Amino acid sequence: NAGVTQTPKFQVLKTGQSMTLQCAQDMNHEYMSWYRQDPGMGLRLIHYSVGAGITDQGEVPNGYNVSRSTTEDFPLRLLSAAPSQTSVYFCASATSGSTDTQYFGPGTRLTVL
Amino acid sequence: KQEVTQIPAALSVPEGENLVLNCSFTDSAIYNLQWFRQDPGKGLTSLLLIQSSQREQTSGRLNASLDKSSGRSTLYIAASQPGDSATYLCAVYKGSNYKLTFGKGTLLTVNP
Repeated sequence: NAGVTQTPKFQVLKTGQSMTLQCAQDMNHEYMSWYRQDPGMGLRLIHYSVGAGITDQGEVPNGYNVSRSTTEDFPLRLLSAAPSQTSVYFCASATSGSTDTQYFGPGTRLTVL
Repeated sequence: KQEVTQIPAALSVPEGENLVLNCSFTDSAIYNLQWFRQDPGKGLTSLLLIQSSQREQTSGRLNASLDKSSGRSTLYIAASQPGDSATYLCAVYKGSNYKLTFGKGTLLTVNP
């Protein structure tokens, strides 16, 4: 199993550009989520999904869009990048959000100029 | 609002020492608590998960305890090694919005 994979590893954007961060898992996990990690702030939940076709907002959803058309994939879209979105983004998955270990991907380091 | 605090923020110890990392949380109504390890520039690796009904979990040289009533957890690392150097994060799951609430981590350095 590859576990949770994320692409790209690094990305530099200009303000106003859009892009999609990819996340995929091969463990048949129903639950997937996106976090961002900022110095001094810890990890914060952006969006999550409890199954294909079902998504919901987390703690800091503004400026981000998600969809879940398959169990395996959970892409995160930045519609119009802003410098405040400079961060490291992590995708996670679990069989259940409530009681099971969450598995994290290696992260995408995004810089918005 | 759930808040998670980790003390100390940084810790430097000589190889072979036993050490304790602390995690406290403000809302004791949690489902579980997880300890993660994060190496520089890498993702998070789950070390131990303790359900709210459990008191401790062990894996190799690691032992995590949970005292839900006092809002505290400790991660004990026995016979530390330079390879243990990393940031250790604790996170609690309260059961709503499927959200893990993370502490800011303890940066551990084990010196040879």
